[in-house]
Amino acid sequence: AQKVTQAQTEISVVEKEDVTLDCVYETRDTTYYLFWYKQPPSGELVFLIRRNSFDEQNEISGRYSWNFQKSTSSFNFTITASQVVDSAVYFCALSERRSSASKIIFGSGTRLSIRP
Amino acid sequence: GAVVSQHPSRVICKSGTSVKIECRSLDFQATTMFWYRQFPKQSLMLMATSNEGSKATYEQGVEKDKFLINHASLTLSTLTVTSAHPEDSSFYICSAIRLEGSSYNEQFFGPGTRLTVL
Repeated sequence: AQKVTQAQTEISVVEKEDVTLDCVYETRDTTYYLFWYKQPPSGELVFLIRRNSFDEQNEISGRYSWNFQKSTSSFNFTITASQVVDSAVYFCALSERRSSASKIIFGSGTRLSIRP
Repeated sequence: GAVVSQHPSRVICKSGTSVKIECRSLDFQATTMFWYRQFPKQSLMLMATSNEGSKATYEQGVEKDKFLINHASLTLSTLTVTSAHPEDSSFYICSAIRLEGSSYNEQFFGPGTRLTVL
C-alpha cells in the first residue's frame, strides 16, 4: 500500500529564515510520481512540483528547492529566505502509475507560518 | 494551464436536505474525475473516482448511497450529498484528468466547495 508521511504538523519561523518540510513515502511500485502542493487559507490547491521515480535530480525554482532521495524514500522541500506569503499548508503526495488515471494520495500536511 | 471549476463555492443547508456540487473541466475533456473531502485541519481524503459513462468507484468507508456521483459528460461530474447531516460539513475538492500524449496524465484540481450543514 502507498503512504505519505509528513511528520512535521506545524512549523513557525521568522521571515527570511530557510525552512525545510520533510516528506517520506512508501510504495511497492517502481514507477510512481511525487508531488508538492500548497494550500493557502483560500483552500485552493496550488501545484508546486511533480517528480517521477526515475528522476532523482534535485530541482530549484526560485526560492523553492526539492531534494528527492530514493534511498531514503524522501522528497523534502526547502524554502529559502522565507516570506510571509509562504504561510500555508503544504502537502506532499504520491501517485502510482498503474493505469492512465492514477489517484493521488496526500500526506497529512505541514502548516507553515512565517512571522514578520 | 487547464482549468477546473466547482459550483457552488460555498453552500449552507439544513440537516436532511440534499446538496449537489458540480465539477467542470472548462478547456479540456476529462474521462476521469476524482472527488476528495477535507475536514478542518486535515488532509485531503479521496472519496471516489468518477468515470464518464460508468459507475463511480468508491473508496473504502465511503457510502455510495449517501454520496451520489454522476459523470454524465466528458466535462462534468456531480457529487450529490443526500440527506446531509452536520458531520458531512467539509471542504469538497474535485480533480480532473487531462489525457496527454506523454506517459503522465496531468490531474488538475478545482477550487473546492465548502459545505456547511446546520
